[in-house]
Amino acid sequence: QQQVKQSPQSLIVQKGGISIINCAYENTAFDYFPWYQQFPGKGPALLIAIRPDVSEKKEGRFTISFNKSAKQFSLHIMDSQPGDSATYFCAARQSGGYNKLIFGAGTRLAVHP
Amino acid sequence: EADIYQTPRYLVIGTGKKITLECSQTMGHDKMYWYQQDPGMELHLIHYSYGVNSTEKGDLSSESTVSRIRTEHFPLTLESARPSHTSQYLCASSVGLAGPSYEQYFGPGTRLTVT
Repeated sequence: QQQVKQSPQSLIVQKGGISIINCAYENTAFDYFPWYQQFPGKGPALLIAIRPDVSEKKEGRFTISFNKSAKQFSLHIMDSQPGDSATYFCAARQSGGYNKLIFGAGTRLAVHP
Repeated sequence: EADIYQTPRYLVIGTGKKITLECSQTMGHDKMYWYQQDPGMELHLIHYSYGVNSTEKGDLSSESTVSRIRTEHFPLTLESARPSHTSQYLCASSVGLAGPSYEQYFGPGTRLTVT
């Protein structure tokens, strides 16, 4: 039962372009939405996160847009660079005490020079 | 850079062997997690712990077991490895509810191959 649906599965962007990855969730009991970046051979690392009472959060070239009514959120990478080439996972935290995250299936991003 | 360590990084082992994957964190985090991830695929939670002597099974059924007798240590054990256990195993930790964020810090993973 996939509670967080992520698309696209893979994405190719030219250097300097905008990368957009989308996620949709089903469970309204989620209260925190992080994005993780994973390079080959490494564990995921937190990139940026948002809470549902905020519609947008920006950190440098990375922006999360959040639409609570549509139960969707997206990651925008502005001025994409070859060093951004990685797999990106959206996630949603189940409210409650255990800090459990439900991950999307991942998007493999390749930024070509 | 998060201080969470996993050993071994790579393990190739024969069917039927008992294995223990080690995970340690030096951040004093209350919560720790084990995820299973096939290469490039989504992460599935298989175990979590919210403190010493408290462990729970995750969303994905797993034949592995875990223990948490020290805050910093959360080993995962497979009593009898099978080829279906071949995967990458990621350990993570996070602060308790009193912390400022819900961030989970991940280790580098153990890539297990069972022949």
